[in-house]
Amino acid sequence: GAGVSQSPRYKVAKRGQDVALRCDPISGHVSLFWYQQALGQGPEFLTYFQNEAQLDKSGLPSDRFFAERPEGSVSTLKIQRTQQEDSAVYLCASSLDSVSDQPQHFGDGTRLSIL
Amino acid sequence: SQKIEQNSEALNIQEGKTATLTCNYTNYSPAYLQWYRQDPGRGPVFLLLIRENEKEKRKERLKVTFDTTLKQSLFHITASQPADSATYLCALGSGNTGKLIFGQGTTLQVKP
Repeated sequence: GAGVSQSPRYKVAKRGQDVALRCDPISGHVSLFWYQQALGQGPEFLTYFQNEAQLDKSGLPSDRFFAERPEGSVSTLKIQRTQQEDSAVYLCASSLDSVSDQPQHFGDGTRLSIL
Repeated sequence: SQKIEQNSEALNIQEGKTATLTCNYTNYSPAYLQWYRQDPGRGPVFLLLIRENEKEKRKERLKVTFDTTLKQSLFHITASQPADSATYLCALGSGNTGKLIFGQGTTLQVKP
């Protein structure tokens, strides 16, 4: 497809389990972002990649969160030893190049529920 | 700390009227501001960009203003339609990375 694709759309996990969320950005997009969105709130920045380089991970809430983009296209956000407060929608966005004010194209997110 | 405030209450208006949404910020000097639309269960969709040296931008029925002295942006939808019902997010950016700081969003309901 032409847009940003995220999988799975829904994920339910037990507290303490590890999860991996996938993002397929628009082909050729240089920049990739991960955001976390709690119910009724705006997205909160987690991390940013330019190609395969992770240039900003200041928003990752703890060292249980890890993101990678090894070949500069698909990205994975991994959460280890999940906690209930990790329940949220995780959004991925990509933009065409590294110019900072480019529009970001969002996927529809992965809704993560931790029981 | 940086803070962005959007209309805290949902906005209900009649079809055909102009909807005006506000975005106020403190402790921040953004280089640009973007507005997004988000429908339930979907990701945000980009609408408009306005840079710090621009006062106003228009696109079809949409108009955005940016006042860096007041630290405020206004987002207008003229001749509103029920299909405009959604949550609207303002997002501020600066620096080199494209990292956006979002407001909490305003839910707009346009009644026929």
